[in-house]
Amino acid sequence: NAGVMQNPRHLVRRRGQEARLRCSPMKGHSHVYWYRQLPEEGLKFMVYLQKENIIDESGMPKERFSAEFPKEGPSILRIQQVVRGDSAAYFCASSRAAQETQYFGPGTRLLVL
Amino acid sequence: QKEVEQDPGPLSVPEGAIVSLNCTYSNSAFQYFMWYRQYSRKGPELLMYTYSSGNKEDGRFTAQVDKSSKYISLFIRDSQPSDSATYLCAMSADTGGFKTIFGAGTRLFVKA
Repeated sequence: NAGVMQNPRHLVRRRGQEARLRCSPMKGHSHVYWYRQLPEEGLKFMVYLQKENIIDESGMPKERFSAEFPKEGPSILRIQQVVRGDSAAYFCASSRAAQETQYFGPGTRLLVL
Repeated sequence: QKEVEQDPGPLSVPEGAIVSLNCTYSNSAFQYFMWYRQYSRKGPELLMYTYSSGNKEDGRFTAQVDKSSKYISLFIRDSQPSDSATYLCAMSADTGGFKTIFGAGTRLFVKA
């Protein structure tokens, strides 16, 4: 049973470009969460999605960031017009239900030059 | 003041030592407490999950929660070099889920 999969594992972008991060949840999981982790800091919640619905995006910056979890395919975290401050590790987690344990993927490390 | 405070370390101990990792928190509504282990360049993995106050033991790991002091601990007995990782405490008022608040993590090094 494959765990949570994220790709790419590493992503390098220049300022102003777009970054697309993908997350495939564990089999049987329909709840997806995105977190950002900066060096020496804990995981910061960004957004919680179920299939085709954004449930809570209270941790998402108001501009340039968006997320989706379509009926088919992986969840996508999109960052438009990236800036250096967006450089971080982005983790996706999934759970079978909202009240159940979250399982994390290996993360995508974004570097903005 | 952060909702969850955790000493970032690093903490270096010899193999076989008992390790104590701690977090304090300010939100008295937190009911669910978790410890995650994160190896370098990997995602966090859940180690322990406890509800309200008390102790929970799993092998070499013991989690303690003292809600009156707003203080939680993770003890590792007979520490091994393979325990070297960053340990993140996490807590939430709901049954886990998206309102989970994470500590910054403590880096642990166990020397052979």
